[in-house]
Amino acid sequence: NAGVTQTPKFQVLKTGQSMTLQCAQDMNHEYMSWYRQDPGMGLRLIHYSVGAGITDQGEVPNGYNVSRSTTEDFPLRLLSAAPSQTSVYFCASSWVQGGTEAFFGQGTRLTVV
Amino acid sequence: AQSVSQHNHHVILSEAASLELGCNYSYGGTVNLFWYVQYPGQHLQLLLKYFSGDPLVKGIKGFEAEFIKSKFSFNLRKPSVQWSDTAEYFCAVTGNNRLAFGKGNQVVVIP
Repeated sequence: NAGVTQTPKFQVLKTGQSMTLQCAQDMNHEYMSWYRQDPGMGLRLIHYSVGAGITDQGEVPNGYNVSRSTTEDFPLRLLSAAPSQTSVYFCASSWVQGGTEAFFGQGTRLTVV
Repeated sequence: AQSVSQHNHHVILSEAASLELGCNYSYGGTVNLFWYVQYPGQHLQLLLKYFSGDPLVKGIKGFEAEFIKSKFSFNLRKPSVQWSDTAEYFCAVTGNNRLAFGKGNQVVVIP
């Protein structure tokens, strides 16, 4: 049982490049979400999904896109990377939002130069 | 939208000292409350959770937290810390389809 798997673990991008952070879970969880973690800021919600085909914006969605074509996968796309997007990104999943524990991936450390 | 406040972002204490981390939240509806821990270089792991019932909840590694509804608080405690408790601790609250986190407490335990 792998839980929540994120790839890549580390990435360096040039300003203006695009890329996709991958997130997959094998627990058949309905709810998935993406956070970014910055020093002194805690975790801020970027986008979330309550099921396949349904996504919504979180606290800091600008510059990011998501889609949820399957229950297992929830990729995060950076359309045109900016230095302000340098951060550690975490994907999380849970059975439903509100009543159960969230499981987190190992994180992706992204640097935009 | 819900919000979470954590105080004393940096805490330094010696082994065997007691630890208490404050957490206050604001949300008008029913909430579920969590404390997560992040050890250096690792992802977040659940420490304990409160959904309903006994407001004093016990988690892993000797941690406990008390939910005080009238104060909108969910403070974390441990009577005697160890060096291995060095980590960042996050309080979180669910509501409106979102899990919101506080800014975290960086705890350093000196041997």
